[in-house]
Amino acid sequence: AQTVTQSQPEMSVQEAETVTLSCTYDTSENNYYLFWYKQPPSRQMILVIRQEAYKQQNATENRFSVNFQKAAKSFSLKISDSQLGDTAMYFCAFPHGSSNTGKLIFGQGTTLQVKP
Amino acid sequence: DTAVSQTPKYLVTQMGNDKSIKCEQNLGHDTMYWYKQDSKKFLKIMFSYNNKELIINETVPNRFSPKSPDKAHLNLHINSLELGDSAVYFCASSQVKGKSPLHFGNGTRLTVT
Repeated sequence: AQTVTQSQPEMSVQEAETVTLSCTYDTSENNYYLFWYKQPPSRQMILVIRQEAYKQQNATENRFSVNFQKAAKSFSLKISDSQLGDTAMYFCAFPHGSSNTGKLIFGQGTTLQVKP
Repeated sequence: DTAVSQTPKYLVTQMGNDKSIKCEQNLGHDTMYWYKQDSKKFLKIMFSYNNKELIINETVPNRFSPKSPDKAHLNLHINSLELGDSAVYFCASSQVKGKSPLHFGNGTRLTVT
């Protein structure tokens, strides 16, 4: 079965510092995408970053970057220069199955608190 | 311009009532979804439609009935509402080919009293 695990229910970081959120997954697929979504208190689901499994280079979007380790099935999110607006719940997500249905499986989420 | 819009934003109703949530996307995507987020913030897919055809139907009570009149719209009708149906319901869309990301609506918080 395909699963996504986020082992850190809650994390906190001081403003301007760096924090890493972890995510592990299990799949037998070889070609797939991985996503990180952010859900602020407004409850909107916002795509933060995505990684293509066949690319060795880690994806980067401004202050957000990933550490993708395919063999270890690990997909962590690093937030540099944390800002108060980064306070949110973060979800790692992974497409389910090879049928190309677009269905995503989400991790349990990590609540990140950025402190001033 | 809102990409995925769902209405209403909040819905408070009594047990036993029937209610609907509407969703529309203007992204030209092929596939639309309903996800449920429970009180512990866990997100789980309920249904998926591709070009008006149902392609995913998870283990959801048959009191929930999705309807897709065209590929830009996916509505969710819920009959005989129960307390356990209280949750946030998200509509989303994606272009399935290439495994593109989901684009979410802002969610509908359903409270059943």
